[in-house]
Amino acid sequence: SQQGEEDPQALSIQEGENATMNCSYKTSINNLQWYRQNSGRGLVHLILIRSNEREKHSGRLRVTLDTSKKSSSLLITASRAADTASYFCAPVGGYNKLIFGAGTRLAVHP
Amino acid sequence: EAGVVQSPRYKIIEKKQPVAFWCNPISGHNTLYWYLQNLGQGPELLIRYENEEAVDDSQLPKDRFSAERLKGVDSTLKIQPAELGDSAVYLCASSLGTGAYNEQFFGPGTRLTVL
Repeated sequence: SQQGEEDPQALSIQEGENATMNCSYKTSINNLQWYRQNSGRGLVHLILIRSNEREKHSGRLRVTLDTSKKSSSLLITASRAADTASYFCAPVGGYNKLIFGAGTRLAVHP
Repeated sequence: EAGVVQSPRYKIIEKKQPVAFWCNPISGHNTLYWYLQNLGQGPELLIRYENEEAVDDSQLPKDRFSAERLKGVDSTLKIQPAELGDSAVYLCASSLGTGAYNEQFFGPGTRLTVL
């Protein structure tokens, strides 16, 4: 299955702390995408990392990809209460088909 | 730029009743997706359209679910008859194309409750 599996299932931290979420998958990929979902804004694309990239940054987000281990991580630095959401990874093979896992539920406490 | 529009946002029906959801994708986006999301789970693809053609409907329960995208713009997803297990959020998404690097933009979803 190309489904991403996120770990941990839930994460609770204080504002200002860093949050790290991991994703594992089983088949070869073209790229891997991370999405965020909260009740206010729905599902939003955060970042895409291509299979030939190892690390990518976007603002306070840092994503790594290790294709040899079939794993990726999402780091949110200096977290804010507004980062409270569910985070999903979606490994992509072809035809932009996203297969989401159950996600990591992040709670950032003021 | 307007995002993906879905309506209604909420729908409550009794089992065995029909229900329909509507989606208007971002202007210019040729690819449209319908997803189902159960509580505590990630979205699952139901059907993908390229313009007006359904190119991947392998996950669509065709005995009760149907979809159409006339004229290759907006789309309707229908359930007839609805069952208790259909209670979920139905998400619509669109992208410029199906290339693997195309970002999908999601609508706010329709939360369906079947009583």
